[in-house]
Amino acid sequence: SQQGEEDPQALSIQEGENATMNCSYKTSINNLQWYRQNSGRGLVHLILIRSNEREKHSGRLRVTLDTSKKSSSLLITASRAADTASYFCATDAGGQNFVFGPGTRLSVLP
Amino acid sequence: EPEVTQTPSHQVTQMGQEVILRCVPISNHLYFYWYRQILGQKVEFLVSFYNNEISEKSEIFDDQFSVERPDGSNFTLKIRSTKLEDSAMYFCASSQLRTAQETQYFGPGTRLLVL
Repeated sequence: SQQGEEDPQALSIQEGENATMNCSYKTSINNLQWYRQNSGRGLVHLILIRSNEREKHSGRLRVTLDTSKKSSSLLITASRAADTASYFCATDAGGQNFVFGPGTRLSVLP
Repeated sequence: EPEVTQTPSHQVTQMGQEVILRCVPISNHLYFYWYRQILGQKVEFLVSFYNNEISEKSEIFDDQFSVERPDGSNFTLKIRSTKLEDSAMYFCASSQLRTAQETQYFGPGTRLLVL
């Protein structure tokens, strides 16, 4: 079944460093989205990248998509303590729902 | 900026009781969704809803679950007879269109605890 899987499961970095999270999936997709979730809170949409796009930027976020490898990466540059959260990729293959991965727990230490 | 809202934020109920979780999607959105996240696990799709009917549902969405759009603004998820394993965070989402390009906007969630 189609599934996004993030790695690493957990990542701990110092403030100011860059954080890179990866997502792999199994079947062809139309788009891939990244969401953030602060502990016990809702999902915040970060960025959507379409299957015909290779890279997208939004502020300190950079997302890449490699459809040949069925993988995506989320880079957060110059991380801040407020970036501490879980990050999920969600894939859509043309259906109406998204399939979420288990997430990467990012801790940014001051 | 418009946002999806959900009530209540927390709900505690006894096993076997009925619960109704409420959502107010973004006003010009036409597609509505429920997802759930059991503590420490991934977000799972439950159901999507359009034009006053279910358009897609997952295996999780069994006969104990139902959805309704009782008026022009609310979208509800009812669990008829709650089980312990229904304890989870329930997220409502909405989108304007159904295309693959469309972002789904999520509400803050309702944390349901079944005792």
